[in-house]
Amino acid sequence: SQTIHQWPATLVQPVGSPLSLECTVEGTSNPNLYWYRQAAGRGLQLLFYSIGIDQISSEVPQNLSASRPQDRQFILSSKKLLLSDSGFYLCAWIAPDRTQYFGPGTRLTVL
Amino acid sequence: GIQVEQSPPDLILQEGANSTLRCNFSDSVNNLQWFHQNPWGQLINLFYIPSGTKQNGRLSATTVATERYSLLYISSSQTTDSGVYFCAIPISGTYKYIFGTGTRLKVLA
Repeated sequence: SQTIHQWPATLVQPVGSPLSLECTVEGTSNPNLYWYRQAAGRGLQLLFYSIGIDQISSEVPQNLSASRPQDRQFILSSKKLLLSDSGFYLCAWIAPDRTQYFGPGTRLTVL
Repeated sequence: GIQVEQSPPDLILQEGANSTLRCNFSDSVNNLQWFHQNPWGQLINLFYIPSGTKQNGRLSATTVATERYSLLYISSSQTTDSGVYFCAIPISGTYKYIFGTGTRLKVLA
């Protein structure tokens, strides 16, 4: 069966520091992968999606970037964090029937 | 673009009560999912239901695509049902999904 991992689970970072969040999917190949952000008490905002290695689309202009170094690995990065980057970051993949499955998330607090 | 609205935004129930959550969408769809986000933030896939009715234990869902709405029924609610319920719809011709604003449910013991 397929499993999606995210790490770290929680992260507290100072403003201006770099960021790297990792998402890995097991049990499938060439998945469509997604990064979402959820602010406290709010809905999900799509940040990036990728339909293959080196095929990444950005949905929201911001100081975040995404990379896909391997087929089943999706990385969310920032060179300098802002206070507004705080939130809950969720990675998801799409099964062939277009069902979405989410990872456990990373809770990021920028101070 | 397609609009997805959920109602009610907040709901408080006594344990054992039944409830109906609604998801309205502005365009025709060929896929719709319901999710439950538990208090720890994990999004759990409840139903993939582009049309018709499905049931899973105390939960069931109905999508009427022609009338552009979906309903999630929770019967005999339990405290573990608390959390936020989202519906999500793929944007036609893209690989993107749009989420509704969610219904926050609190079940009291």
